[in-house]
Amino acid sequence: SQELEQSPQSLIVQEGKNLTINCTSSKTLYGLYWYKQKYGEGLIFLMMLQKGGEEKSHEKITAKLDEKKQQSSLHITASQPSHAGIYLCGADRNNNNDMRFGAGTRLTVKP
Amino acid sequence: DAGVTQSPTHLIKTRGQQVTLRCSPKSGHDTVSWYQQALGQGPQFIFQYYEEEERQRGNFPDRFSGHQFPNYSSELNVNALLLGDSALYLCASSLVGLAGANTQYFGPGTRLTVL
Repeated sequence: SQELEQSPQSLIVQEGKNLTINCTSSKTLYGLYWYKQKYGEGLIFLMMLQKGGEEKSHEKITAKLDEKKQQSSLHITASQPSHAGIYLCGADRNNNNDMRFGAGTRLTVKP
Repeated sequence: DAGVTQSPTHLIKTRGQQVTLRCSPKSGHDTVSWYQQALGQGPQFIFQYYEEEERQRGNFPDRFSGHQFPNYSSELNVNALLLGDSALYLCASSLVGLAGANTQYFGPGTRLTVL
């Protein structure tokens, strides 16, 4: 089983709609990373959260890390077809780049 | 500023063969990590190289080995290939400073198919 659980596994939304992807860990996280991946390609870094309660935004994407540092959410506002892809959360469990990833959430945005 | 590069892009091998994958880190980075990503799964950590030594290792057999060169580039070697080794192999680089971990930047990957 994955150390990080992502939900949902897949998501289909109409263009312009908002959506949220969740990432949950049973252990406290030293760092929580969000990446985006196009099918069969490398991972594109989106954001990194380290402090409990931290929230970061980039364009229409906002990521939050809860106070206990065990859950993170990624929110996309007014989704566009360019947002389509696989979103992966990764955790640095030991503060030394020992990364573990969730299975990913496949996002489809219908024009 | 070149990002992380990997070669080759695609590779087809048969069972029992050996393969070598290559990675050049992002300019200024000194640490290289390798991941295996099976279809529909998240990347699985194989190992990490820093200062030309393996610093950490995930749950992969000894058939998986690596090397880091003085210019920080790295190779991943897999011996006695199995069908289950078919996957996308990703290389990531980072700069490990005094503060500890830093963001990893990924290459485009090498797609390995074992027949």
